[in-house]
Amino acid sequence: QQQVKQSPQSLIVQKGGISIINCAYENTAFDYFPWYQQFPGKGPALLIAIRPDVSEKKEGRFTISFNKSAKQFSLHIMDSQPGDSATYFCAALLPGSARQLTFGSGTQLTVLP
Amino acid sequence: DAGITQSPRHKVTETGTPVTLRCHQTENHRYMYWYRQDPGHGLRLIHYSYGVKDTDKGEVSDGYSVSRSKTEDFLLTLESATSSQTSVYFCAISESPTSKGQYFGPGTRLTVT
Repeated sequence: QQQVKQSPQSLIVQKGGISIINCAYENTAFDYFPWYQQFPGKGPALLIAIRPDVSEKKEGRFTISFNKSAKQFSLHIMDSQPGDSATYFCAALLPGSARQLTFGSGTQLTVLP
Repeated sequence: DAGITQSPRHKVTETGTPVTLRCHQTENHRYMYWYRQDPGHGLRLIHYSYGVKDTDKGEVSDGYSVSRSKTEDFLLTLESATSSQTSVYFCAISESPTSKGQYFGPGTRLTVT
């Protein structure tokens, strides 16, 4: 049962363009929503994250938009660069002592020079 | 990779053999996790540990067992490897229940023939 649905599966963007990746969740118990970036041959790395009581969070060129009523959130990468080419995963964190993460299926982003 | 090492990094094994993967951390974090990564599925939680000798099952725990005898080491054992367990396995660590981030190791690519 996939509790976090991510789209698109792959995305190609020109350098300088905006990359947008969308996620939707089902479980309203999730209390934290991180995004991870993964380069080939590496483990995922925490990129940016948001709490459900915040509608937007920006860190440099990366912005998360969060719509609690629609149970959707998205990652926007402004001025996309070839170095941003990677796989991006949205995730959702359950409360409780173990802090279990549920991941989306991933989006492979390619930024063309 | 946040003081996390995984060994081996690559392994090829035959169906029916037992396999043990090791995760070692130097961060003294309490929580440790094992995930598997497969195309189209993102990362799925296998088992996690919330302290020495304290472990619990994740989403895809069938066919796997874990042990944690020291804070720094978390072992994942495939009791009798099957081809469906061919995957990339990631270990992650987290400091506390209130910690928002999980930090991932470099991964182990396992092929079961």
